[in-house]
Amino acid sequence: AQSVTQLGSHVSVSEGALVLLRCNYSSSVPPYLFWYVQYPNQGLQLLLKYTSAATLVKGINGFEAEFKKSETSFHLTKPSAHMSDAAEYFCAVSSGNQFYFGTGTSLTVIP
Amino acid sequence: DVKVTQSSRYLVKRTGEKVFLECVQDMDHENMFWYRQDPGLGLRLIYFSYDVKMKEKGDIPEGYSVSREKKERFSLILESASTNQTSMYLCALFNRDVFEAFFGQGTRLTVV
Repeated sequence: AQSVTQLGSHVSVSEGALVLLRCNYSSSVPPYLFWYVQYPNQGLQLLLKYTSAATLVKGINGFEAEFKKSETSFHLTKPSAHMSDAAEYFCAVSSGNQFYFGTGTSLTVIP
Repeated sequence: DVKVTQSSRYLVKRTGEKVFLECVQDMDHENMFWYRQDPGLGLRLIYFSYDVKMKEKGDIPEGYSVSREKKERFSLILESASTNQTSMYLCALFNRDVFEAFFGQGTRLTVV
């Protein structure tokens, strides 16, 4: 069975501060891991994905995530938050053809 | 780029109505999904399909059915809409070539 836990349903950061969104996964097989972003009233778009290549994955808009097998984690970071980063972020795990999503983290950026 | 199009952005339906949510892709991908999204619950899988006329139940299939008569179209059906089905519905497909899920814009359904 596979599952994803996102710690913190709401995260607030100041503009220019570090963004850290946490994701832990459970998987019985080597996982593929993803971060998706959702802007208001839109669908989800891919930020980045881990597919068993480099453990540090760089995505769009300056985001990156590090796969840590020993901690079963795939936390999302960005060194400096922008106002445009305010959105809902979803971590997901996949094996085969199915995706399992976390409950999401809403990021607020304070000017 | 892969394009997933949901026929409606917003819908308002009455309790007891039969509701059809349509999703169309512009490529030839086999795997398509319907999720509903509710605050604090994330995305929950309703149904998915691996190919034409094939369907599998997800985690919350009760009150829903699906239809996939052609590869490019995957429809979600609410047999008799109820107020607890008020939600955001997201269609997605899985692109095996790049190992990525692509989503439609979502349909916000309100059942009154």
